[in-house]
Amino acid sequence: DAGVIQSPRHEVTEMGQEVTLRCKPISGHNSLFWYRQTMMRGLELLIYFNNNVPIDDSGMPEDRFSAKMPNASFSTLKIQPSEPRDSAVYFCASSRSRVDTGELFFGEGSRLTVL
Amino acid sequence: AQSVAQPEDQVNVAEGNPLTVKCTYSVSGNPYLFWYVQYPNRGLQFLLKYITGDNLVKGSYGFEAEFNKSQTSFHLKKPSALVSDSALYFCAVRDTSSSNTGKLIFGQGTTLQVKP
Repeated sequence: DAGVIQSPRHEVTEMGQEVTLRCKPISGHNSLFWYRQTMMRGLELLIYFNNNVPIDDSGMPEDRFSAKMPNASFSTLKIQPSEPRDSAVYFCASSRSRVDTGELFFGEGSRLTVL
Repeated sequence: AQSVAQPEDQVNVAEGNPLTVKCTYSVSGNPYLFWYVQYPNRGLQFLLKYITGDNLVKGSYGFEAEFNKSQTSFHLKKPSALVSDSALYFCAVRDTSSSNTGKLIFGQGTTLQVKP
């Protein structure tokens, strides 16, 4: 299996622009998680989906952030408009929550820099 | 509230010496505990997990962890550290309130520095 695939790996954009991060989970996994990692705040859970349905989005910073999972093989995290404080590494992870015991498989991350 | 604590921001050891990275947890019910490692500019990688059974769990790259229920700890250990073990280590516990969705609660991470 190819693992969790994220794109882009690096994104540099200007403040105010829209940013879309993409994730393809491992085939057969039914839970998908979006995390954000910064030096100051560590690893933060933004939102997670189970069977394509958002379960908990309490970690989403504000309305500028939105996430979708239109099908079992694709999810997006969108920031509109972006701000410099959104600069971070964004990770997507997936798991087979109803079968396995919670092991998450992470993608390599999308490093976002907002100027 | 369920939580995970990693009391050390950084652990420094000399190559060849044993290493311990500490983790304590607070969770209702039986804990599912995990360790992940993150190398620079990479995603987190699963190292090992404790679900039930033997309190000493063996994982990848020669790492092991000891579950101690009375101390609510799950420390990561390795008998002989390698320079290549230098990385960021995360302890995590499964959120038992999230009803089988697989959500994990992560600690803040501990940087392990192994010096030659």
